[in-house]
Amino acid sequence: EAGVTQSPTHLIKTRGQQATLRCSPISGHTSVYWYQQALGLGLQFLLWYDEGEERNRGNFPPRFSGRQFPNYSSELNVNALELEDSALYLCASSLPWPSNTGELFFGEGSRLTVL
Amino acid sequence: QQPVQSPQAVILREGEDAVINCSSSKALYSVHWYRQKHGEAPVFLMILLKGGEQKGHEKISASFNEKKQQSSLYLTASQLSYSGTYFCGTAPKAWAGNKLTFGGGTRVLVKP
Repeated sequence: EAGVTQSPTHLIKTRGQQATLRCSPISGHTSVYWYQQALGLGLQFLLWYDEGEERNRGNFPPRFSGRQFPNYSSELNVNALELEDSALYLCASSLPWPSNTGELFFGEGSRLTVL
Repeated sequence: QQPVQSPQAVILREGEDAVINCSSSKALYSVHWYRQKHGEAPVFLMILLKGGEQKGHEKISASFNEKKQQSSLYLTASQLSYSGTYFCGTAPKAWAGNKLTFGGGTRVLVKP
C-alpha cells in the first residue's frame, strides 16, 4: 500500500515568489494535515483539511493557504515568500473520524529553500 | 502552547536505558509519540489517553500522568535502531482531527 506522497522533494524560490506543495494521502484517508518543520525545530501545525473543508489552522499568516481536492489530495500554497519560510513541509493523513485512532501517517516532506 | 521536552538530546550505549519527558502547562486529553529518523518521515509510536495508562511498543513504553500533565517515554535496553528524534504531540480534547501541538523534540543517539 502506497504511503503519503509529497511533491516536489525540493523547491528553491526567491523572496516574494509563491510556492505550491502537493500531497497525496493514503488511500481511504480523508484528512490531510500540513506541518512546518524549520531546521532544528519541532513540528508546527499549519492546516487541517477534511472532506474538502479547512477544519483548523495554526498560528500562521494568511499567506499560507491550501485546499483539498475531491480525491482528498491537497495543496499548500505559500505566497510572498520570506526567508524564514525555508523549512521542511510535512504532510500527514489519517482515517476519517470516528475510525481515526489518532495516528498520523507522514510523508517524507518537501524541503523549501527561500533565497 | 508547545509542550516542553527534556532532555533535548541524549547519547546512549547499546543496551542502556533512557527516559524522555514531555510536559504541558495545559490540561491534556492525549499524548502522542513519534520518532523521526534522519531524512525520513516521522513514524507513530503510540498514543496515550488520559487515565494514566501505560503502553508499549517493542521495548519502548510510555506513561501519562494527567494530573501532572506529563508523559514519559522509556527506552529500555536501547538498540541502534532507536536512534532518531522523538517528538511528543499533545491534544487538549478528544481526538477528532484537532491539531496536535508538538514539542521541540529529543535527539537520541545510540552508539555500539
